[in-house]
Amino acid sequence: AQKVTQAQTEISVVEKEDVTLDCVYETRDTTYYLFWYKQPPSGELVFLIRRNSFDEQNEISGRYSWNFQKSTSSFNFTITASQVVDSAVYFCALSVSNTGKLIFGQGTTLQVKP
Amino acid sequence: DAGVTQSPTHLIKTRGQQVTLRCSPKSGHDTVSWYQQALGQGPQFIFQYYEEEERQRGNFPDRFSGHQFPNYSSELNVNALLLGDSALYLCASSWGQPQETQYFGPGTRLLVL
Repeated sequence: AQKVTQAQTEISVVEKEDVTLDCVYETRDTTYYLFWYKQPPSGELVFLIRRNSFDEQNEISGRYSWNFQKSTSSFNFTITASQVVDSAVYFCALSVSNTGKLIFGQGTTLQVKP
Repeated sequence: DAGVTQSPTHLIKTRGQQVTLRCSPKSGHDTVSWYQQALGQGPQFIFQYYEEEERQRGNFPDRFSGHQFPNYSSELNVNALLLGDSALYLCASSWGQPQETQYFGPGTRLLVL
């Protein structure tokens, strides 16, 4: 069975701090895809990144970076120099090959205080 | 470039009633997926439609049904509403293969009284 665990329910930081959101996944499939989405209070899920299981290169996009480690089944997300606008619920999700089903974690609520 | 749109934005129904939610995919997308998100939870996959057929279904009862039209828009129907159906219903669209990135709409908030 596939599963995504986001152990951190809520994180609170002060603006300009770095913060890492953890994501651990479970699957027996060798081909799978990992995603991060951001959900602001408006409710719409905003796509941030997609990685496939064959590409373990870390990725950086502006203040965002992702660390994918197959050895520990983790796909962690770091925000550098956090800003108030980063406050949202962040979801990690998994899909396995040839399925359209996204399996989401419970989400991590990030609060960035000014 | 229009994103995914959903209607209505909010809806209030009573137990036992039926509801229809609508979704228009992002321009160029041919696949629509529906998710249910209860308060404080991650979204749960209901089903995915491609070429007007249900391609995959999650663990939801038959009260949940859907349809995809030739223009790729989609409807989600829920019959015999229960209090537990109160949730945010999210539509996502994608193109081509099932594992492609899904882009979400703003959702429909359904309250069942």
